[in-house]
Amino acid sequence: GAGVSQSPRYKVTKRGQDVALRCDPISGHVSLYWYRQALGQGPEFLTYFNYEAQQDKSGLPNDRFSAERPEGSISTLTIQRTEQRDSAMYRCASSSQGENTEAFFGQGTRLTVV
Amino acid sequence: GQQVMQIPQYQHVQEGEDFTTYCNSSTTLSNIQWYKQRPGGHPVFLIQLVKSGEVKKQKRLTFQFGEAKKNSSLHITATQTTDVGTYFCAGYLTDSSYKLIFGSGTRLLVRP
Repeated sequence: GAGVSQSPRYKVTKRGQDVALRCDPISGHVSLYWYRQALGQGPEFLTYFNYEAQQDKSGLPNDRFSAERPEGSISTLTIQRTEQRDSAMYRCASSSQGENTEAFFGQGTRLTVV
Repeated sequence: GQQVMQIPQYQHVQEGEDFTTYCNSSTTLSNIQWYKQRPGGHPVFLIQLVKSGEVKKQKRLTFQFGEAKKNSSLHITATQTTDVGTYFCAGYLTDSSYKLIFGSGTRLLVRP
């Protein structure tokens, strides 16, 4: 696609429910990142994929959070048993490869847990 | 853990005044990138600096990467209302080429 696409744009869920956030990166981009951004803060690193391999998940807050990218393209971030503190903007970014390339961000998914 | 901090957190300037934001990392960075996020938008890449002591310019914007590759700055000359937004630095750690860490950001407000 022309840019990084995330869906849904907005998600309201009840506490305790599971949610799945989807990211469709720019076609051909090898690297895919998930970030969480609180209001007025910088993007907080969650996890990174190189092709289908999840090379770093050190930023995932706890074991309720997981991510996958099974075919090296679309990625899903899943949050199980959501809590109110999970409410935030979740952003996906992709880049062509390596450390000397810019990251392209999607519009994000605004998650609200009530 | 590693941190990338920016100061100031906010800056409110009169249109035409200059603006500078500073970025400091607790660890050495392999490179530094700068992004701009407009209100309600997503971060958009501005520039990348790779070499120690590097300086790059984009029209009214001047970017510097420190000699020790642990700090950077963005200077805007003669701000305009279109400069409004939050400016983030981001860097790859030298020991982890794929982990792109963002700074806390500086929010710029410009009075017309």
